[in-house]
Amino acid sequence: DTAVSQTPKYLVTQMGNDKSIKCEQNLGHDTMYWYKQDSKKFLKIMFSYNNKELIINETVPNRFSPKSPDKAHLNLHINSLELGDSAVYFCASSQDRVGGGYNEQFFGPGTRLTVL
Amino acid sequence: SQQGEEDPQALSIQEGENATMNCSYKTSINNLQWYRQNSGRGLVHLILIRSNEREKHSGRLRVTLDTSKKSSSLLITASRAADTASYFCATAMYSGGGADGLTFGKGTHLIIQP
Repeated sequence: DTAVSQTPKYLVTQMGNDKSIKCEQNLGHDTMYWYKQDSKKFLKIMFSYNNKELIINETVPNRFSPKSPDKAHLNLHINSLELGDSAVYFCASSQDRVGGGYNEQFFGPGTRLTVL
Repeated sequence: SQQGEEDPQALSIQEGENATMNCSYKTSINNLQWYRQNSGRGLVHLILIRSNEREKHSGRLRVTLDTSKKSSSLLITASRAADTASYFCATAMYSGGGADGLTFGKGTHLIIQP
């Protein structure tokens, strides 16, 4: 069984659209994350989240918002997409308190977003 | 700001040789982790070394940590073609008022020539 899954795998859309990427983990972890990997493969954390606390990287535009219907899911909603949003987005989970980084993280396969 | 810096950015060796990658970081850390990313895939956790540890082994992997120099190295012994991937170090900090999670370096792209 897949531990951390994301959908869709590929997403191609026009500038200005609103889109969501879904993430689910079946590991029973408390904390989930979203990372952005740019064209140079640089990974940057966007959010750390559990059902009580959200930590937002201050460089993330407020067009990006995490939405969590339950502990096993953390979706990423993006409003008014821009060309610079094109990247690969990874969801991850761990057993840490939010943003802790004290234990290994389990990553999803990624969603390649292309904004035209 | 970027925390980890891997060196070299790219490394190509023959199968069977050992591969060594280095990582430097800037601030105090709780732990340092190494991840592997195969092309077009997600990251896979390899090994975690805590700030009070100096060396750790896992199979063909050996990680060292020197907190005085703020550096770590990952050694892969007896490399195989399947080891071809990008390798990232990631540091975990704890800032007291709130935790910062993992900060990744730019990665080392390792190519194992058959």
